[in-house]
Amino acid sequence: QKEVEQDPGPLSVPEGAIVSLNCTYSNSAFQYFMWYRQYSRKGPELLMYTYSSGNKEDGRFTAQVDKSSKYISLFIRDSQPSDSATYLCAPEEGFSSGSARQLTFGSGTQLTVLP
Amino acid sequence: DAGVIQSPRHEVTEMGQEVTLRCKPISGHNSLFWYRQTMMRGLELLIYFNNNVPIDDSGMPEDRFSAKMPNASFSTLKIQPSEPRDSAVYFCASSSPTGVDRGKHNEQFFGPGTRLTVL
Repeated sequence: QKEVEQDPGPLSVPEGAIVSLNCTYSNSAFQYFMWYRQYSRKGPELLMYTYSSGNKEDGRFTAQVDKSSKYISLFIRDSQPSDSATYLCAPEEGFSSGSARQLTFGSGTQLTVLP
Repeated sequence: DAGVIQSPRHEVTEMGQEVTLRCKPISGHNSLFWYRQTMMRGLELLIYFNNNVPIDDSGMPEDRFSAKMPNASFSTLKIQPSEPRDSAVYFCASSSPTGVDRGKHNEQFFGPGTRLTVL
């Protein structure tokens, strides 16, 4: 079993739809839950992150974590064609003694929002 | 800030040739990561460095791959000899414990990638 499993997609939705992107993980030590967005032929960029369980909202984006079920979600409201990208979940344990630990990325979900 | 710089952006080579990919991390970042991305396998961590020291190279596929970080501002990933199955996009990323929002999570800043094609 992979440490992080992500719904593979691809996902195609009409403009204005609500999008739900999901991941599951197995490592109970994960504390930070990040979502990266990757546009075609670009490197991934951090979209948003949450710490521990709960929700975090940033504009049209909401990140949700349920540590009891080890389930991570990203919701996009009123989706726009500019949201078309690959979304990667990336949970991690956090820093140790001022140095980074590795991120474990999900396989990514390719989203296309049709105008 | 110029961001993470990678060179070359594209590389086409023949099987058996040596390939060297280069990365300049963001100034002040003390962690550097090399990833490989393919459609089949997604984004895979190859190796990462903290303070120029390799921490985990378990993702390096085999002895044909090697990575160095001689100083805080430069790293190389070398493939010798290259094979067609090495064709992929290779990303370098850097991070710092005192990142953008000074939080303790590990925001990584990615370069534009090097698209490698081995014929």
